Amino acid sequence: GDSVTQMEGPVTLSEEAFLTINCTYTATGYPSLFWYVQYPGEGLQLLLKATKADDKGSNKGFEATYRKETTSFHLEKGSVQVSDSAVYFCALIWTDKLIFGTGTRLQVFP
Amino acid sequence: SQTIHQWPATLVQPVGSPLSLECTVEGTSNPNLYWYRQAAGRGLQLLFYSVGIGQISSEVPQNLSASRPQDRQFILSSKKLLLSDSGFYLCAWSVVGTSSSPLHFGNGTRLTVT
Repeated sequence: GDSVTQMEGPVTLSEEAFLTINCTYTATGYPSLFWYVQYPGEGLQLLLKATKADDKGSNKGFEATYRKETTSFHLEKGSVQVSDSAVYFCALIWTDKLIFGTGTRLQVFP
Repeated sequence: SQTIHQWPATLVQPVGSPLSLECTVEGTSNPNLYWYRQAAGRGLQLLFYSVGIGQISSEVPQNLSASRPQDRQFILSSKKLLLSDSGFYLCAWSVVGTSSSPLHFGNGTRLTVT
């Protein structure tokens, strides 16, 4: 079945460091791909999305490119801030069902 | 604009007691509705989803159930809670019939079964 695999965390970085969180997927069709962020004690917020191959989603300095050839959707940010500390979830949606990865905790220290 | 309300925010219940969590959506019609559970230190597990009133699909067999008595109301229930039901429960909605439509989440309910 369809699935999403994320790198295990926590990812610990210093402020202004470069961030990459890997995400790969398995899907029978052509899903849309998402990154969600969950700040402590809160629900999930949509961070960015891409709906077809080679699309690049971007928001708040974060970017991810839909790579069909490698079935990947890695999240990147050039310079992280302490306020980016959260759990990040990669997800795909196909036939109205959203399937999540297990989440990657990011901890950014000043 | 669309909003989603989920309550209560936190709940502590003894083992064997019943459960009712409620979720309502405003500002949209005929949404897809979802219940997810996030266990401590783990990812999100889809429990139920609904594409219309009275239409519920269960993803994981368990002692929980869901109902959709009205178009924009989604209820998660249990007759007798288990310790393993503890977790963070999230309700979400999306636009029907659009495969690229993201889900919009409520703020969640943290349930502790003691």
